[in-house]
Amino acid sequence: GQNIDQPTEMTATEGAIVQINCTYQTSGFNGLFWYQQHAGEAPTFLSYNVLDGLEEKGRFSSFLSRSKGYSYLLLKELQMKDSASYLCAVRDGGYSTLTFGKGTMLLVSP
Amino acid sequence: SAVISQKPSRDICQRGTSLTIQCQVDSQVTMMFWYRQQPGQSLTLIATANQGSEATYESGFVIDKFPISRPNLTFSTLTVSNMSPEDSSIYLCSVPIQGAGGYTFGSGTRLTVV
Repeated sequence: GQNIDQPTEMTATEGAIVQINCTYQTSGFNGLFWYQQHAGEAPTFLSYNVLDGLEEKGRFSSFLSRSKGYSYLLLKELQMKDSASYLCAVRDGGYSTLTFGKGTMLLVSP
Repeated sequence: SAVISQKPSRDICQRGTSLTIQCQVDSQVTMMFWYRQQPGQSLTLIATANQGSEATYESGFVIDKFPISRPNLTFSTLTVSNMSPEDSSIYLCSVPIQGAGGYTFGSGTRLTVV
């Protein structure tokens, strides 16, 4: 089975940097995903890590350490539109299915 | 990445009835996934829809309650049967993004059972 933990809520200020952590305990591992979900909308794919290290994509970066079962999503130069729920998801080793964490609600204030 | 058309976008249904949700993809995909997102919760996988074979259901979900069809590589349906208020959720379909490692989601179906 899978156990995925991430903080429930975070707050930050416009223009700042925020790091959202995710830890996981899984029977198998074949990739970690980050999604952004605005209220009332479907999740939007942000990033994918399967090897250790940092993946950078514009203002968003994602880091993975497989030995520690740990990932983080780093958001730079925060904007008001970044207020959303951020979901960490892990893919099983032998399957294509994703298991999602409960999500971190990020509130960006002026 | 693939574009998914999901419908209906929302519906209000009477308890005891059934609702069929459709997802149409603009390209052929081997696997399609159906998720449920209950109010204030994260996504839970219901089943994997495979073309040419029966769907694979996750623990806690059964075919009699959530029958799935996958007649071809671009289309799938999920039926929520004999609905009760506890079935009120957002239902989403998802497919792999070719070459990017991620998955894209349909726009979701917001179901309210009264």
